[in-house]
Amino acid sequence: QSALTQPASVSGSPGQSITISCTGTSSDVGGYNYVSWYQHHPGKAPKLMIYDVTNRPSGVSNRFSGSKSGNTASLTISGLQAEDEADYYCSSFTSRSTVVFGGGTKLTVL
Amino acid sequence: QVQLQESGPGLVKPSETLSLTCTVSGGSISSYQWTWIRQPPGKGLEWIGYIYYSGTTNYNPSLKSRVTISLDTSKNQFSLNLSSVTAADTAVYYCARPCGSYRKDAFDIWGQGTLVTVSS
Repeated sequence: QSALTQPASVSGSPGQSITISCTGTSSDVGGYNYVSWYQHHPGKAPKLMIYDVTNRPSGVSNRFSGSKSGNTASLTISGLQAEDEADYYCSSFTSRSTVVFGGGTKLTVL
Repeated sequence: QVQLQESGPGLVKPSETLSLTCTVSGGSISSYQWTWIRQPPGKGLEWIGYIYYSGTTNYNPSLKSRVTISLDTSKNQFSLNLSSVTAADTAVYYCARPCGSYRKDAFDIWGQGTLVTVSS
């Protein structure tokens, strides 16, 4: 299974909004509303930020939101804060009943 | 609160078998698709596979010929065996649990991760 496609890096200034895209196929992102997003600080375990395209787990800031159109899902972070600087990964359930991750996007807060 | 902890050798020789165990504490291993995920140095996350408490498994097609995930309910543990390892299998290995007992994705509980290096 091929990894989902994410931009290698994005950046933004504090207070701004950024969007990270995640492109797959009709066998994964486009076929199911089972897209998740993870925040990963180096040396720590990844943290689930969004699941089922738009849902936030308890405790996750409402500055994080998700959406999907066709084979592309997106994560938007509004009101960017220094602590948001991290790697972000999308994932999707697939037609083989497996899970595929994106290549990851490094977010830099300027 | 459920917690996961990986354990196993940090160094494995090429061509040998990598073996890791994940201990589940604060809850039962019954239900849920218990999952292994890895991250090679400088690269992204890679889903390895899962085992359901019934024993049903599913693996990443690219690793399927070399992977076995097993369960020991008496010890509240599940394990990963990856055979015929090469340097490309060097990675931080995580065990994880999805956010719902019927789910195979959306991992809200993770172990701290353990680095396994493949080298002679």
